[in-house]
Amino acid sequence: AIQMTQSPSSLSASVGDRITITCRASQGLGDDLSWYQKKPGAAPKALIRDASTLQNGVPSRFSGGGSGTDFTLTISSLQAEDFATYYCLQDRSHPWTFGQGTKVEFK
Amino acid sequence: DVQLLESGGGLLQPGGSLQLSCAASGFTFSAYAMNWVRQAPGKGLEWVSSISGRGEITSYADSVKGRFAISRDNSRNTLYLQINSLRAEDTAIYYCAKDMSSTWGGKGLDYWGQGTLVSV
Repeated sequence: AIQMTQSPSSLSASVGDRITITCRASQGLGDDLSWYQKKPGAAPKALIRDASTLQNGVPSRFSGGGSGTDFTLTISSLQAEDFATYYCLQDRSHPWTFGQGTKVEFK
Repeated sequence: DVQLLESGGGLLQPGGSLQLSCAASGFTFSAYAMNWVRQAPGKGLEWVSSISGRGEITSYADSVKGRFAISRDNSRNTLYLQINSLRAEDTAIYYCAKDMSSTWGGKGLDYWGQGTLVSV
């Protein structure tokens, strides 16, 4: 199975900060990677598919990049509602695998 | 609007079995692969299983292979997950989620249910 290594596991930031989360795959994915936001008590929300395509309704401050084995999720100006845990998912080949998650906390 | 509603969770004993259901509406159910994803308390998301639109292809995480069985009834727009030989480590919220793409392999998961809690 493809292993996904996500970093950092947590980060502290303030409203207005620019943050970047990284996912590294154990083998090449092309652009078959998606990103999700998870808040406590809520269902996960899809943010990005195909490594860089924003899902409908997702604010433009979110962006995704990368291909092959290295991918990034960037929030250009953190808002209060963005404090959550973020996960990458490789959908290149089954079994699909998530990264371990990055918890974005208020500094 | 797309809606996914899970049911069937509860408090069970180790070694037991249960079947989770996910009722879907708002899209052509048979056209999309469907998935189960779980989150154990204090842990991250774990992809569990996928099934193709017509149900002829299935896939499982190594951690559940041989104990879990995914299935679907396209006439009822319902997805199922049969869980056998329950273990303490199966304790989690189980989410059903719809594939973004209508082809097997997909492009990730665009709609999710609110989840059902399984406690072992």
